[in-house]
Amino acid sequence: GEDVEQSLFLSVREGDSSVINCTYTDSSSTYLYWYKQEPGAGLQLLTYIFSNMDMKQDQRLTVLLNKKDKHLSLRIADTQTGDSAIYFCAETIYSSASKIIFGSGTRLSIRP
Amino acid sequence: AAGVIQSPRHLIKEKRETATLKCYPIPRHDTVYWYQQGPGQDPQFLISFYEKMQSDKGSIPDRFSAQQFSDYHSELNMSSLELGDSALYFCASSFNRDFEQYFGPGTRLTVT
Repeated sequence: GEDVEQSLFLSVREGDSSVINCTYTDSSSTYLYWYKQEPGAGLQLLTYIFSNMDMKQDQRLTVLLNKKDKHLSLRIADTQTGDSAIYFCAETIYSSASKIIFGSGTRLSIRP
Repeated sequence: AAGVIQSPRHLIKEKRETATLKCYPIPRHDTVYWYQQGPGQDPQFLISFYEKMQSDKGSIPDRFSAQQFSDYHSELNMSSLELGDSALYFCASSFNRDFEQYFGPGTRLTVT
């Protein structure tokens, strides 16, 4: 079935690295995403990774994919106050016309 | 760059009324997706259209209907509104059902 799970909260100190974790159950997932949502705002696509990749780096963001354990993580280096938001892990299965299945979201808060 | 446009941004309706939400995809995008995000919840897929035909259907109530028009904009029609329909409704668009979906800012519907 389709299920994406994340921890609900994460608190980190400004300047430290944040690591947000996600697990998914559907082994036929084709693409895995990280979306960012600030309070009252829309969904911003941060990055995505194909299921045949292990890692993707984009500036301060590093995505790691462990296909065996169906585990996805997002690392944000040098976390800033502007990174405070809810981060959604999501997956899509191409055969389903690319509808996106979202996790419950992790609320990232930054301590001074 | 042009983004997905949704209107209205905010809508207040009473129970049993009807509402129409509009979505204008990014130019040249032919695929539109609708998602519903309840308070404190993750976005849930409702329905999608590709080249003016319904391509996938999720947890969309029978009271809701949607269509995609010849100019690729889409409308979500909601009838017999219930308090539980209060949510943020997102539209996303992509080209040829591509995995890169770009989300609009959302329409916040409040049913009183």
